[in-house]
Amino acid sequence: DAKTTQPPSMDCAEGRAANLPCNHSTISGNEYVYWYRQIHSQGPQYIIHGLKNNETNEMASLIITEDRKSSTLILPHATLRDTAVYYCIVGPFDDMRFGAGTRLTVKP
Amino acid sequence: DTAVSQTPKYLVTQMGNDKSIKCEQNLGHDTMYWYKQDSKKFLKIMFSYNNKELIINETVPNRFSPKSPDKAHLNLHINSLELGDSAVYFCASSQVLGARNTIYFGEGSWLTVV
Repeated sequence: DAKTTQPPSMDCAEGRAANLPCNHSTISGNEYVYWYRQIHSQGPQYIIHGLKNNETNEMASLIITEDRKSSTLILPHATLRDTAVYYCIVGPFDDMRFGAGTRLTVKP
Repeated sequence: DTAVSQTPKYLVTQMGNDKSIKCEQNLGHDTMYWYKQDSKKFLKIMFSYNNKELIINETVPNRFSPKSPDKAHLNLHINSLELGDSAVYFCASSQVLGARNTIYFGEGSWLTVV
């Protein structure tokens, strides 16, 4: 069901930026890109979302390519607590279909 | 205050039993959901309710019956439990607020069927 493709896993050094890619080549014009994360089987936590402009909030930045076929979530200064599975989701917010996500491991 | 709360957090029960998981949200949202996360960690939507009306009903066995007594509550009742029902069940809620449309998840209910 998921319309996105993400690498299964990534590592990042503590204090460095973590850049998580996502491909969504079949995205339609009115669909948003959402990012959630799940820390150790807790409930998924909202991070950020965007339509076509780049977005930034206190947690992360979202860079969406001009053709909207891919995006990158950036955690500017990753900490050990950012170790989690990160999900990129495309679609209506009230019918979210989660894929396998990217397991990000932040290492000391 | 917990925004979306589920009870019980852990539930171990025998095959064939009937059990319920309760969910309450204090965010004033109109839409509530149930998601299931299996042992392979895939998170799948099961149901969604908007103002107590069923909106999404994915292909789940009819042993699963959601009940929404009011828009702040969405309970999940499961009849004749099977081993394959063992999973983590997440309740969630959402509200459209202009562009700030996000889903808030509960902490999950770990169901183990033995």
